[in-house]
Amino acid sequence: DIVMTQSPVSLAVSLGERATINCKSSQSVLSSSNNKNYLAWYQQKSGQPPKLLIYWASTRESGVPDRFSGSGSGTDFTLTISSLQAEDVAVYFCQEYYSGPQRTFGRGTKVEIK
Amino acid sequence: EVQLIQSGGGLIQPGGSLRLSCSGYGVTVSSYYMTWLRQAPGKGLEWLSVLQTGGETYYSDSVKGRFTISRDNSKNTLHLQMNNLRPEDTAVYYCATDRSPFDIWGHGTMVTVSS
Repeated sequence: DIVMTQSPVSLAVSLGERATINCKSSQSVLSSSNNKNYLAWYQQKSGQPPKLLIYWASTRESGVPDRFSGSGSGTDFTLTISSLQAEDVAVYFCQEYYSGPQRTFGRGTKVEIK
Repeated sequence: EVQLIQSGGGLIQPGGSLRLSCSGYGVTVSSYYMTWLRQAPGKGLEWLSVLQTGGETYYSDSVKGRFTISRDNSKNTLHLQMNNLRPEDTAVYYCATDRSPFDIWGHGTMVTVSS
């Protein structure tokens, strides 16, 4: 099974500043057949289900603000919030969907306001 | 609006059984891979099971042999039958469409296994 390792566990950032979350997979999630990274990012606010933010490592889901961006390839990925807003306080998870049918998530990164 | 509405859950004694349901509104559950996941209190997300469009089913090792995923096409509803429940099964359970990745989620339902 692929293991997803996220860092840091928690992050406190001032409003308007950049937040960066890292995710590392134990094996590559880059498909040689279509050159796509099978990696997604989710945002989970307190008491709510997760919400899909990013898929294919860097494609924003419809309606997601452009301050959210994803990057990386192979085994190392990053979610960046370019200018943190109060409504971005949440836990963020990465997830691989390379090795089907089981799916694996990172343990999450809690983002708070400094 | 596309929604997955969940029902079932609650407090159950160890060794007991529960059935969770997930009804699609604006989404046809038989047209997608449908998945159950859970999140223990204060913990991360755990994939449990998937029912593929062709009827194939897969389970995580933690629930294999105890949980059964199924769907009722006439009611556009996904089910998770949970038997022989253990305290470690205590969690919020979510259904979701698996269109690689999970793009539509139910609101979640709490299952508490305790005597």
